[in-house]
Formats: sequence, structure tokens, C-alpha cells
Amino acid sequence: EAAVTQSPRSKVAVTGGKVTLSCHQTNNHDYMYWYRQDTGHGLRLIHYSYVADSTEKGDIPDGYKASRPSQENFSLILELASLSQTAVYFCASSDGGHQAPLFGEGTRLSVL
Amino acid sequence: AQKVTQTQTSISVMEKTTVTMDCVYETQDSSYFLFWYKQTASGEIVFLIRQDSYKKENATVGHYSLNFQKPKSSIGLIITATQIEDSAVYFCAMREIMNYNQGKLIFGQGTKLSIKP
Repeated sequence: EAAVTQSPRSKVAVTGGKVTLSCHQTNNHDYMYWYRQDTGHGLRLIHYSYVADSTEKGDIPDGYKASRPSQENFSLILELASLSQTAVYFCASSDGGHQAPLFGEGTRLSVL
Repeated sequence: AQKVTQTQTSISVMEKTTVTMDCVYETQDSSYFLFWYKQTASGEIVFLIRQDSYKKENATVGHYSLNFQKPKSSIGLIITATQIEDSAVYFCAMREIMNYNQGKLIFGQGTKLSIKP
């Protein structure tokens, strides 16, 4: 069964600390995405990737780095976490064609 | 540049009625996919229905259908015979096909739908 798995599901981080959010897909999809969702708002694209070892900037990439070491794995890295990065983060994967992207369950990040 | 806009922040309707949620988009690409997703109270994001820009027929899946008006860059979601469990936040999204941004998936701000018994 197609799946997108995020870890951790929730995390509390300290301001200035490093945070890594991980995403793993078993769908054999080329595209993977990272979005953030703030309370009461839509999904904003941070980074995405269409092939291993390559990432693309989305609409709000500042303060975030991404890494795609393999087709199955896509990480989001906050080198210096800030209060403003408190949000729910979603990962998704897609075949790049007409199939709708599938989403993970989300990671709730609180930066204190 | 790509942009997706949902201007309806929230809608409330009675159970078993029909509701339409609006979405307009901006793109310079001649071909693109449009998607509607539902986010449940638990936070899960679920795909509902897709419209291909090169198809004139409106997509229909179960009690979901689309009103695709390409000249107006509009893709409305219609839910017929609404049920309490349809209460959720609905997102419209677009992915271009042909230009160098292909694969980039952009979402609207979402519309919160409340179904009253």
C-alpha cells in the first residue's frame, strides 16, 4: 500500500537548535515535497525534489534546507530553529504525472 | 508565476444540501492539473478529485464534482447531499505540466466547511 511516513510526529525544539524532520515514501515516486501549515492557514511549499541528490526551492525556503539522499527519503533541516518556525510540517510524494500527491500525517514542531 | 486563491474562509450549510466552494488560479502554463483535497479534524490530508486542464468534461467522483471554467481560471468543488462527516477544511491545488516549474504543487488557503444537522 502506498505510504508516506514522517518522523518524528511531534517535536519540541529550543531556539537556535538544529532540527531535522524526516520523510520516507514507499511509492516509488520521483517527486517529494515539504510544506508548512500554520494554524488556520493553507499549505505553503518550502522545498521539493524530483530526483535524488537534487532539491528545489519552493515559495518559502528561507531558514530551511532540504536533503534527498535517495528516491525514498527527503529531509527538512532547520539549522537554527526560530520561534517563527513553530508549525505543522507535511511531506508529500508524487509520480509527477496525473496521480494526486499523497501526504504524510504531519509533524507538529514547537520551537521554544 | 503560479497562484491559487480560495476567497471563502468558511461556509456553513445544512446537512443533505449542496455546497459549492470556489477556487481561482493563475498560471502561464498551457497544461496543468487541478486537485481538491480535504483535511479532516485529525489533520489528515486526503485527495478527493482531479481535473486535467486539457479535458473539457467536469470530473466527478462519488458525491464530489467539479465546475471547471478554463476561460475564468476557475475550478469549483461541488458536494451534493452533504453529510456531517463532510465537515472539514478543503484545499484547492495546482500543478503545472509543461514549464520548467513542472512538478511544483501549490495550494490555496483553504475553505472550512461546517455541516449542520
